[in-house]
Amino acid sequence: DTAVSQTPKYLVTQMGNDKSIKCEQNLGHDTMYWYKQDSKKFLKIMFSYNNKELIINETVPNRFSPKSPDKAHLNLHINSLELGDSAVYFCASSHEIRQFFGPGTRLTVL
Amino acid sequence: DAKTTQPTSMDCAEGRAANLPCNHSTISGNEYVYWYRQIHSQGPQYIIHGLKNNETNEMASLIITEDRKSSTLILPHATLRDTAVYYCIVRDLSGGSNYKLTFGKGTLLTVNP
Repeated sequence: DTAVSQTPKYLVTQMGNDKSIKCEQNLGHDTMYWYKQDSKKFLKIMFSYNNKELIINETVPNRFSPKSPDKAHLNLHINSLELGDSAVYFCASSHEIRQFFGPGTRLTVL
Repeated sequence: DAKTTQPTSMDCAEGRAANLPCNHSTISGNEYVYWYRQIHSQGPQYIIHGLKNNETNEMASLIITEDRKSSTLILPHATLRDTAVYYCIVRDLSGGSNYKLTFGKGTLLTVNP
């Protein structure tokens, strides 16, 4: 069974559209994250949630709104998509020792 | 979290040991050394971590110098599937399960047949 899963794997959309990426973990972890990996391959944290509560928000534009309906899910909604939002987005969950990453969602904004 | 410095790229022959260095000269006493890797088009994968003693698991060994200012990740018998970007990260474990990993540029290890 996949520990951290994301859907969709690929997402191609036009500028100005609104889109969502879903993430689920079946590890029983309390903490989940969203990371962004840009075209230069830098991997940076965007948000973290602990038990459905926002803990880390790394100065991400407010067009990005994470939502955690329960501690096993952390979805990322993006409004008014821009060209610069094109990237691979990774979801992760963690216990104290290590983080587990999902397979990534490649978002392309045209 | 302390900053790390790694070579941009390294090559290794298949079946040989791959030794990946990392400098973390500003590491503080309560910070651990972590290694993750990212195989092309996949999410990062945890490899190993340590504080000051050498560590070994089924994937790799971690050698940390006595002054803790540098470390080496060792893949004892590299395979083609070990080709990936390897990230050395230092982090403080005091934050419980909620913490951010600060990824640098990492080292692209290419294992050649």
